[in-house]
Amino acid sequence: TQLLEQSPQFLSIQEGENLTVYCNSSSVFSSLQWYRQEPGEGPVLLVTVVTGGEVKKLKRLTFQFGDARKDSSLHITAAQPGDTGLYLCAGGRGGDMRFGAGTRLTVKP
Amino acid sequence: DVKVTQSSRYLVKRTGEKVFLECVQDMDHENMFWYRQDPGLGLRLIYFSYDVKMKEKGDIPEGYSVSREKKERFSLILESASTNQTSMYLCASSGLAGWSYNEQFFGPGTRLTVL
Repeated sequence: TQLLEQSPQFLSIQEGENLTVYCNSSSVFSSLQWYRQEPGEGPVLLVTVVTGGEVKKLKRLTFQFGDARKDSSLHITAAQPGDTGLYLCAGGRGGDMRFGAGTRLTVKP
Repeated sequence: DVKVTQSSRYLVKRTGEKVFLECVQDMDHENMFWYRQDPGLGLRLIYFSYDVKMKEKGDIPEGYSVSREKKERFSLILESASTNQTSMYLCASSGLAGWSYNEQFFGPGTRLTVL
Protein backbone atom coordinates (compact mmCIF):
# COMPACT_ATOMS: atom_id res chain seq x y z
CA THR A 1 0.00 0.00 0.00
CA GLN A 2 1.09 3.54 -0.74
CA LEU A 3 1.99 5.83 2.14
CA LEU A 4 0.45 8.64 0.10
CA GLU A 5 -2.75 7.95 -1.83
CA GLN A 6 -3.50 10.23 -4.74
CA SER A 7 -6.91 10.53 -6.37
CA PRO A 8 -8.11 10.35 -8.97
CA GLN A 9 -5.50 8.24 -10.71
CA PHE A 10 -6.55 9.59 -14.12
CA LEU A 11 -8.46 12.75 -15.06
CA SER A 12 -9.42 13.94 -18.53
CA ILE A 13 -11.15 17.30 -18.90
CA GLN A 14 -11.86 20.04 -21.44
CA GLU A 15 -9.95 23.29 -21.59
CA GLY A 16 -11.51 25.88 -19.30
CA GLU A 17 -12.83 23.46 -16.69
CA ASN A 18 -11.83 23.52 -13.03
CA LEU A 19 -10.46 20.47 -11.20
CA THR A 20 -9.19 19.30 -7.84
CA VAL A 21 -6.83 16.43 -7.14
CA TYR A 22 -6.12 14.98 -3.74
CA CYS A 23 -3.23 13.56 -1.75
CA ASN A 24 -4.16 11.66 1.42
CA SER A 25 -2.32 9.76 4.12
CA SER A 26 -2.84 8.40 7.60
CA SER A 27 0.60 9.77 8.50
CA VAL A 28 1.53 13.28 9.61
CA PHE A 29 4.08 15.07 7.46
CA SER A 30 6.39 17.93 8.31
CA SER A 31 6.18 19.17 4.73
CA LEU A 32 4.39 18.32 1.54
CA GLN A 33 5.50 19.03 -1.99
CA TRP A 34 3.72 18.93 -5.33
CA TYR A 35 5.63 18.14 -8.51
CA ARG A 36 4.57 18.02 -12.17
CA GLN A 37 6.14 15.55 -14.56
CA GLU A 38 5.82 15.80 -18.33
CA PRO A 39 6.44 12.86 -20.67
CA GLY A 40 10.12 12.05 -21.06
CA GLU A 41 11.18 14.37 -18.26
CA GLY A 42 11.82 14.20 -14.55
CA PRO A 43 9.41 15.78 -12.03
CA VAL A 44 9.67 19.53 -11.42
CA LEU A 45 8.73 21.13 -8.10
CA LEU A 46 5.60 23.30 -8.08
CA VAL A 47 5.26 24.15 -4.38
CA THR A 48 6.24 23.20 -0.83
CA VAL A 49 3.78 23.61 2.07
CA VAL A 50 4.90 23.21 5.67
CA THR A 51 2.18 24.65 7.96
CA GLY A 52 -1.14 22.93 8.70
CA GLY A 53 -3.95 24.83 6.96
CA GLU A 54 -1.52 26.63 4.66
CA VAL A 55 -2.80 27.76 1.27
CA LYS A 56 -0.46 28.73 -1.54
CA LYS A 57 -1.35 30.08 -4.96
CA LEU A 58 0.70 29.80 -8.11
CA LYS A 59 -1.18 31.61 -10.89
CA ARG A 60 -4.19 29.33 -11.61
CA LEU A 61 -3.02 26.61 -9.18
CA THR A 62 -4.09 26.62 -5.51
CA PHE A 63 -2.45 24.25 -3.05
CA GLN A 64 -3.78 23.49 0.41
CA PHE A 65 -2.19 21.57 3.27
CA GLY A 66 -4.68 19.97 5.66
CA ASP A 67 -4.95 21.25 9.22
CA ALA A 68 -3.64 17.94 10.58
CA ARG A 69 -0.81 17.86 7.99
CA LYS A 70 -1.98 14.48 6.68
CA ASP A 71 -3.48 15.54 3.37
CA SER A 72 -3.29 18.10 0.62
CA SER A 73 -5.21 19.23 -2.41
CA LEU A 74 -4.35 20.92 -5.69
CA HIS A 75 -7.02 22.97 -7.43
CA ILE A 76 -6.59 24.21 -11.00
CA THR A 77 -8.84 26.96 -12.30
CA ALA A 78 -9.63 27.22 -16.01
CA ALA A 79 -7.34 24.35 -17.00
CA GLN A 80 -5.27 24.70 -20.17
CA PRO A 81 -3.67 22.05 -22.39
CA GLY A 82 -0.29 23.11 -21.00
CA ASP A 83 -1.41 21.80 -17.59
CA THR A 84 -1.35 18.26 -18.97
CA GLY A 85 1.02 16.02 -17.02
CA LEU A 86 1.51 13.73 -14.06
CA TYR A 87 1.00 15.50 -10.73
CA LEU A 88 2.89 13.93 -7.84
CA CYS A 89 2.70 14.73 -4.16
CA ALA A 90 5.60 13.99 -1.85
CA GLY A 91 5.49 14.00 1.94
CA GLY A 92 8.46 14.74 4.17
CA ARG A 93 9.00 13.37 7.69
CA GLY A 94 12.30 14.38 9.18
CA GLY A 95 14.90 13.15 6.74
CA ASP A 96 12.51 11.02 4.69
CA MET A 97 10.47 11.96 1.69
CA ARG A 98 7.99 9.64 0.00
CA PHE A 99 6.02 10.06 -3.23
CA GLY A 100 2.48 9.15 -4.17
CA ALA A 101 1.68 7.36 -7.42
CA GLY A 102 0.38 10.53 -9.05
CA THR A 103 -2.66 11.86 -10.89
CA ARG A 104 -2.35 11.83 -14.67
CA LEU A 105 -4.18 14.89 -15.99
CA THR A 106 -5.11 15.41 -19.63
CA VAL A 107 -6.59 18.74 -20.70
CA LYS A 108 -8.15 18.63 -24.15
CA PRO A 109 -8.34 21.77 -26.31
CA ASP B 1 20.63 26.77 -15.22
CA VAL B 2 20.73 23.91 -12.75
CA LYS B 3 21.15 20.49 -14.17
CA VAL B 4 21.00 16.81 -13.32
CA THR B 5 22.12 14.57 -16.16
CA GLN B 6 21.80 10.83 -16.56
CA SER B 7 24.11 8.82 -18.76
CA SER B 8 21.47 7.22 -20.96
CA ARG B 9 17.84 7.93 -21.83
CA TYR B 10 17.20 4.37 -22.99
CA LEU B 11 19.03 1.15 -22.18
CA VAL B 12 18.40 -2.46 -23.14
CA LYS B 13 20.23 -5.20 -21.26
CA ARG B 14 20.04 -8.97 -20.92
CA THR B 15 19.23 -10.93 -17.78
CA GLY B 16 22.32 -11.44 -15.67
CA GLU B 17 24.27 -8.49 -17.06
CA LYS B 18 25.87 -5.93 -14.75
CA VAL B 19 24.34 -2.51 -15.39
CA PHE B 20 25.70 0.91 -14.45
CA LEU B 21 23.48 4.00 -14.39
CA GLU B 22 25.35 7.26 -13.94
CA CYS B 23 24.04 10.56 -12.60
CA VAL B 24 25.86 13.89 -12.47
CA GLN B 25 24.68 17.17 -10.90
CA ASP B 26 26.26 20.59 -11.30
CA MET B 27 24.67 22.34 -8.30
CA ASP B 28 27.19 21.30 -5.63
CA HIS B 29 24.36 19.49 -3.80
CA GLU B 30 25.14 17.29 -0.85
CA ASN B 31 22.17 14.91 -1.24
CA MET B 32 21.58 12.59 -4.17
CA PHE B 33 18.84 10.01 -4.71
CA TRP B 34 17.94 7.11 -6.96
CA TYR B 35 14.28 6.24 -7.56
CA ARG B 36 12.49 3.84 -9.82
CA GLN B 37 9.12 4.81 -11.28
CA ASP B 38 6.54 2.22 -12.25
CA PRO B 39 2.92 2.78 -13.35
CA GLY B 40 0.55 2.85 -10.38
CA LEU B 41 3.41 2.71 -7.87
CA GLY B 42 4.88 6.18 -8.20
CA LEU B 43 8.48 6.91 -7.31
CA ARG B 44 10.08 4.44 -4.95
CA LEU B 45 13.36 5.30 -3.26
CA ILE B 46 16.16 2.81 -3.90
CA TYR B 47 19.18 4.47 -2.27
CA PHE B 48 20.27 7.93 -1.26
CA SER B 49 23.51 9.61 -0.27
CA TYR B 50 24.04 12.68 1.89
CA ASP B 51 27.79 12.95 1.41
CA VAL B 52 30.67 11.57 -0.59
CA LYS B 53 31.22 7.87 0.16
CA MET B 54 28.05 7.79 2.29
CA LYS B 55 24.96 5.83 1.31
CA GLU B 56 21.66 4.87 2.89
CA LYS B 57 19.12 2.25 1.84
CA GLY B 58 15.74 3.43 0.71
CA ASP B 59 12.57 1.36 0.50
CA ILE B 60 13.63 -1.11 -2.20
CA PRO B 61 17.44 -1.59 -2.16
CA GLU B 62 17.43 -5.32 -2.94
CA GLY B 63 19.28 -6.12 -6.16
CA TYR B 64 20.93 -2.70 -6.31
CA SER B 65 24.06 -1.03 -5.02
CA VAL B 66 25.39 2.52 -5.32
CA SER B 67 28.65 4.40 -5.43
CA ARG B 68 29.45 8.01 -4.63
CA GLU B 69 33.16 8.67 -5.02
CA LYS B 70 32.75 12.34 -5.98
CA LYS B 71 30.23 14.88 -4.76
CA GLU B 72 28.73 15.47 -8.18
CA ARG B 73 28.36 11.85 -9.25
CA PHE B 74 26.07 9.11 -7.94
CA SER B 75 26.02 5.73 -9.65
CA LEU B 76 23.40 3.00 -9.44
CA ILE B 77 24.57 -0.56 -10.08
CA LEU B 78 22.47 -3.58 -10.91
CA GLU B 79 24.82 -6.44 -10.08
CA SER B 80 22.87 -9.04 -12.08
CA ALA B 81 19.96 -7.52 -13.97
CA SER B 82 16.60 -9.27 -13.83
CA THR B 83 13.42 -8.71 -15.82
CA ASN B 84 11.63 -7.29 -12.76
CA GLN B 85 14.14 -4.43 -12.79
CA THR B 86 12.71 -3.17 -16.07
CA SER B 87 11.62 0.34 -15.13
CA MET B 88 12.20 4.08 -15.39
CA TYR B 89 15.10 5.14 -13.17
CA LEU B 90 15.23 8.72 -11.92
CA CYS B 91 18.14 10.44 -10.22
CA ALA B 92 17.66 13.56 -8.09
CA SER B 93 19.73 15.92 -5.97
CA SER B 94 18.96 18.46 -3.26
CA GLY B 95 20.77 20.93 -1.03
CA LEU B 96 21.81 20.34 2.57
CA ALA B 97 19.86 22.30 5.20
CA GLY B 98 16.56 20.71 6.24
CA TRP B 99 16.87 18.47 3.28
CA SER B 100 13.45 16.92 3.47
CA TYR B 101 12.02 20.38 2.76
CA ASN B 102 14.32 21.17 -0.07
CA GLU B 103 13.43 20.96 -3.69
CA GLN B 104 14.67 17.85 -5.38
CA PHE B 105 16.01 18.42 -8.88
CA PHE B 106 15.48 15.46 -11.14
CA GLY B 107 17.27 14.15 -14.18
CA PRO B 108 15.29 13.15 -17.31
CA GLY B 109 15.33 9.49 -16.39
CA THR B 110 16.73 6.29 -17.88
CA ARG B 111 14.24 3.79 -19.25
CA LEU B 112 15.84 0.39 -18.67
CA THR B 113 14.55 -2.75 -20.32
CA VAL B 114 15.91 -6.11 -19.19
CA LEU B 115 15.26 -8.94 -21.63
